[in-house]
Amino acid sequence: GEDVEQSLFLSVREGDSSVINCTYTDSSSTYLYWYKQEPGAGLQLLTYIFSNMDMKQDQRLTVLLNKKDKHLSLRIADTQTGDSAIYFCAERGSQGNLIFGKGTKLSVKP
Amino acid sequence: EAQVTQNPRYLITVTGKKLTVTCSQNMNHEYMSWYRQDPGLGLRQIYYSMNVEVTDKGDVPEGYKVSRKEKRNFPLILESPSPNQTSLYFCASSLFYSGVAGEDEQFFGPGTRLTVL
Repeated sequence: GEDVEQSLFLSVREGDSSVINCTYTDSSSTYLYWYKQEPGAGLQLLTYIFSNMDMKQDQRLTVLLNKKDKHLSLRIADTQTGDSAIYFCAERGSQGNLIFGKGTKLSVKP
Repeated sequence: EAQVTQNPRYLITVTGKKLTVTCSQNMNHEYMSWYRQDPGLGLRQIYYSMNVEVTDKGDVPEGYKVSRKEKRNFPLILESPSPNQTSLYFCASSLFYSGVAGEDEQFFGPGTRLTVL
């Protein structure tokens, strides 16, 4: 069935780059998404990438898509303590719903 | 301010006592959805609605009901709550579901933390 997998935890030092990885199963997904959830808050769309793109850059964020391997990554340059949050990868399923990964908790140490 | 609101934000109840969690959006969105978030399981969709009077089951609909009588409201009803429905619930809405990322970005409410004893 449709599934999205991502590692559960990532810890980095302030100023380093963070890379959060995700694999998905539905090769027909047209868009793949990254959502951010700060403590005590709902999810907020961070960025998305169209499936015919390999890379998308938006300020400190870089999304890489390897469609052959069904692998998506989110790189955060110069990670700050304010980036500490849970990051969800999501793909659009065959029913049109969003299928979320379990989330990667990013901890940024000063 | 464009937003999705949920009430209550926190609720502790007992098994079997019917409850309703309200969700309202002020963005004239057609698509609305309910998710539950559980540790280690991520977000799972409960029900969704493409428009008024149109609702459909998500991945985990058992034990829940919804209604969509008006465009702005999408309440989640637990007729007989059980402890396994203890969770963090999120309502979300989007302009419509078109499959075009920029058009169907989902906006999430702040969440409702429900505990069923």
